[in-house]
Amino acid sequence: TQLLEQSPQFLSIQEGENLTVYCNSSSVFSSLQWYRQEPGEGPVLLVTVVTGGEVKKLKRLTFQFGDARKDSSLHITAAQPGDTGLYLCAESSYGQNFVFGPGTRLSVLP
Amino acid sequence: EPEVTQTPSHQVTQMGQEVILRCVPISNHLYFYWYRQILGQKVEFLVSFYNNEISEKSEIFDDQFSVERPDGSNFTLKIRSTKLEDSAMYFCASSEPLWGTNYEQYFGPGTRLTVT
Repeated sequence: TQLLEQSPQFLSIQEGENLTVYCNSSSVFSSLQWYRQEPGEGPVLLVTVVTGGEVKKLKRLTFQFGDARKDSSLHITAAQPGDTGLYLCAESSYGQNFVFGPGTRLSVLP
Repeated sequence: EPEVTQTPSHQVTQMGQEVILRCVPISNHLYFYWYRQILGQKVEFLVSFYNNEISEKSEIFDDQFSVERPDGSNFTLKIRSTKLEDSAMYFCASSEPLWGTNYEQYFGPGTRLTVT
């Protein structure tokens, strides 16, 4: 079973700052999903990355998939309090079993 | 926009009782999943379901658990003889293949199960 690591575990920053969080695995991802989860709610899909070296942008969020498809990063520009939440990466094995990382808990202070 | 729905939002039950958690996946999705998340811990895979049968299950999904798609829209998780440690958020999800082996998964809002 693939294990995903995420870093940092916790991150607290001021509004307007930039940040990057990471997702790593010892194995190659077939594809990787990033989710955001708020307390008491289900994870919300942000993006799927598939191709090594791929970069996807979603407004102020930039997702990058490592060339070797064993790591991924999420960069947020000019963070806002609304970005506060738990950021999860997940990988699936042919859609049968999605393995989640432990998450990075982000707090953006106004 | 289509979404996964779950009922009830909160279920309180006594230890030893049986509970059924209900989900309505997105209508054109073919794969269905249950996950649980104990407070403060990571999201844990329980089971995946495709073509009216379990396709994969985790070690957590033992004989205490069962899943069913009783009709064309509902997907249920039954937990028999509940234990205190079954208290958690239970999330249903559904997905369809994007292309090849790549899937995107959409989650419901969850059912908070409290076993007393």
